[in-house]
Amino acid sequence: QKEVEQDPGPLSVPEGAIVSLNCTYSNSAFQYFMWYRQYSRKGPELLMYTYSSGNKEDGRFTAQVDKSSKYISLFIRDSQPSDSATYLCAMSEREYGNKLVFGAGTILRVKS
Amino acid sequence: DTEVTQTPKHLVMGMTNKKSLKCEQHMGHRAMYWYKQKAKKPPELMFVYSYEKLSINESVPSRFSPECPNSSLLNLHLHALQPEDSALYLCASSQESGYGYTFGSGTRLTVV
Repeated sequence: QKEVEQDPGPLSVPEGAIVSLNCTYSNSAFQYFMWYRQYSRKGPELLMYTYSSGNKEDGRFTAQVDKSSKYISLFIRDSQPSDSATYLCAMSEREYGNKLVFGAGTILRVKS
Repeated sequence: DTEVTQTPKHLVMGMTNKKSLKCEQHMGHRAMYWYKQKAKKPPELMFVYSYEKLSINESVPSRFSPECPNSSLLNLHLHALQPEDSALYLCASSQESGYGYTFGSGTRLTVV
């Protein structure tokens, strides 16, 4: 079993839709959770960073962490064609000097 | 623009060449990392430099050699690479106060 499971998609939605991206994990020691957006042939860009359980909102993006279920989500409201990218979840036991474990990445396509 | 700067952006090298990848950050982060990313795969950790100590993923071949001249710079020396080493090489940095891991744009390496 992989430490982090993420459906690779692709996920295709119409412009303006609400997008839900999810990851599950098996390591209960993970405490720091991140979502990255990666455009083709570019480095990952940090979208959301959360510690432990709870919700965090930033503009059109909302990140949720449920440590009891070992489940994290990223919601994108009013999706735009420019949101088309690969979304990677990542998590770590410590926030510093520690290995980031990534999900496989979900390819998102927003159609105009 | 990302605050982690990687040079060069593209590199083509022969299997007998020696080259170096460079990474620089001016955010005062004290941990820096090298990741390798193959097409349509998530990044994989190669090296961690934190608390002035180097940690190595033991699966990384010795033809990859990291060097940390100071807390802002991290180099990756390449020697006698194989075609299967062709990938996007990503540098990242992090600090202790909850801002996640910041990635550079990467160096796209092709070994011929």
